[in-house]
Amino acid sequence: DIQMTQSPSSLSASVGDRVTITCRASQNIYSFLNWYQQKSGKAPELLIFGASSLLSGVPSRFSGSGSGTDFALTISSLQPEDFATYYCQQSYDTPRTFGQGTRVEIK
Amino acid sequence: EVKLVESGGGLVQPGGSLRLSCAASGFTFSSYEFNWVRQAPGKGLEWLSFITTTDSTILYADSAKGRFTISRDNAKNSLYLQMNSLRAEDTAVYYCVREPYSTDWYNTFDVWGQGTMVTVSS
Repeated sequence: DIQMTQSPSSLSASVGDRVTITCRASQNIYSFLNWYQQKSGKAPELLIFGASSLLSGVPSRFSGSGSGTDFALTISSLQPEDFATYYCQQSYDTPRTFGQGTRVEIK
Repeated sequence: EVKLVESGGGLVQPGGSLRLSCAASGFTFSSYEFNWVRQAPGKGLEWLSFITTTDSTILYADSAKGRFTISRDNAKNSLYLQMNSLRAEDTAVYYCVREPYSTDWYNTFDVWGQGTMVTVSS
């Protein structure tokens, strides 16, 4: 199985901060990397697919980068509605594995 | 509006069975592949199973193999997960998840249902 390792597991940030979450795959997954946002008590929602393609309707302050084994999700200016848990997921192989999540909290 | 609505969750004793359903609306159900993903309380996301548009390929995680069965009924716009021999560690929210049938989408999970809670306890 492909292991996905996110860091950090949690972070505290202020509104307006630039935030970066990283995700590392245990083997080459090319660009088969997706990012999801999950707010408390809600289902996850897709933000970015194919490592860097922003889903239609997702604010442009979100961006994704990377390929191969190292990836990043960046929020350029954190907004109050962005406080949530973020998961990366590889979709290159089965089982489709997720990172352990990064909880973004208010500082 | 594109929507997935799960049902069928509840409290079941260890060793028991449940059948989860997922009703789809707002899109052409038969054109999409589907997955089940679960999340134990306070934990991360775990992929369980995948089914292609015509059932030609069905895949399971090791944790589901031999106990869970995924199926779909394109005429009823519905996805199912039959769960047998349930254990305490199967306690989780179960999500029905859509996957576009296109290489442009990198096998991503683009639409999630709201989830249905399954509790396995005596």
